Amino acid sequence: GAVVSQHPSWVICKSGTSVKIECRSLDFQATTMFWYRQFPKQSLMLMATSNEGSKATYEQGVEKDKFLINHASLTLSTLTVTSAHPEDSSFYICSVFRSRESYEQYFGPGTRLTVT
Amino acid sequence: QKEVEQNSGPLSVPEGAIASLNCTYSDRGSQSFFWYRQYSGKSPELIMFIYSNGDKEDGRFTAQLNKASQYVSLLIRDSQPSDSATYLCASPNYGGSQGNLIFGKGTKLSVKP
Repeated sequence: GAVVSQHPSWVICKSGTSVKIECRSLDFQATTMFWYRQFPKQSLMLMATSNEGSKATYEQGVEKDKFLINHASLTLSTLTVTSAHPEDSSFYICSVFRSRESYEQYFGPGTRLTVT
Repeated sequence: QKEVEQNSGPLSVPEGAIASLNCTYSDRGSQSFFWYRQYSGKSPELIMFIYSNGDKEDGRFTAQLNKASQYVSLLIRDSQPSDSATYLCASPNYGGSQGNLIFGKGTKLSVKP
């Protein structure tokens, strides 16, 4: 069965508005979740690491004030795209870090964001 | 810059054949590797992971790791049209953000009926 859920699965918003994406770990408590972004015909690129109870760690080139991450519980991380622009249109995928020994990660179903 | 390299394909094989997908990596310290399958418009699905040199088999899938050559492969036996997807090779970024994965660009596999 599914390990990770995301909501919504797709969203269309107008330029300048904000969008919140939720990522839930379904069957275990996750202190670490990752947010990836995938543009068409490209591979996944890590945006940030979400840590329960502390600030997220952002990758170089990712604006932390634009992509707000909140990991308020062991099963929920949220990504808010603020003041969205058409270039933010992408496939946003979260993953749950299952094991520090094996580095296993399981991905959510993804959220396709289209900014018009 | 740690890299994971894959041939983008497309790789086309007839139904029932063996599909061989290859991946090379730059970080000699890499210990584990993951193969994900991604259907168009969907998120990646973990199908295999391997830590030790040699082969690991799971059903129709066999992962092979050669650390000396910095090479990892995925063999799919008795390929089916439903195996048509993009296959992503990934390895943990040990010096990065607490274990995030570095992905190759993926190889697109097409299995022809």
